[in-house]
Amino acid sequence: DAGVIQSPRHEVTEMGQEVTLRCKPISGHNSLFWYRQTMMRGLELLIYFNNNVPIDDSGMPEDRFSAKMPNASFSTLKIQPSEPRDSAVYFCASSLALTEGSGELFFGEGSRLTVL
Amino acid sequence: AQSVSQHNHHVILSEAASLELGCNYSYGGTVNLFWYVQYPGQHLQLLLKYFSGDPLVKGIKGFEAEFIKSKFSFNLRKPSVQWSDTAEYFCAVNARASNYQLIWGAGTKLIIKP
Repeated sequence: DAGVIQSPRHEVTEMGQEVTLRCKPISGHNSLFWYRQTMMRGLELLIYFNNNVPIDDSGMPEDRFSAKMPNASFSTLKIQPSEPRDSAVYFCASSLALTEGSGELFFGEGSRLTVL
Repeated sequence: AQSVSQHNHHVILSEAASLELGCNYSYGGTVNLFWYVQYPGQHLQLLLKYFSGDPLVKGIKGFEAEFIKSKFSFNLRKPSVQWSDTAEYFCAVNARASNYQLIWGAGTKLIIKP
């Protein structure tokens, strides 16, 4: 089975540009998570979806960040305009529905973003 | 507030040394417990998990963890580490109290000296 697929793997852009990160979760998984990882702040949950509906976006740092999940097999994380402090590795993860006895996340390879 | 604590942020060991990484959580009730590993430059992957049953859980690559409910702990152990175990290790917990969202520890960076 294919795992969680993220693209691009690496992105270098200039401050002010729009960045779009993409994620395809594992087929059949109901929940999708976007995380950001930096040396300074570690692993941060940005937003998660359940059955394509955003459940908790309290981790989204500011209005420049937005995420969508138009269907069960695709999600995007957009940063507009990007700033150097957005430089990080962005991970997408998916899981089966969050119920008792579950919660194992499957992570993608990550998208390493560098904003100059 | 619910939280997960990993007491050691950095651990340096020599090959063949024994390893124990601490993890404590602050939840009441039933919990699910996880250890994830992130090798340098890679994504997080599951090392082992505990949902119920035998509190001593065995995972991949010779790792094990023991759930001690009375101590709210889920420490990770390996009797003899290898250089290839150099990685960052994350403890995570979910529970009904958090709607089964994973709450993450801050991670422990483990460096194994060859």
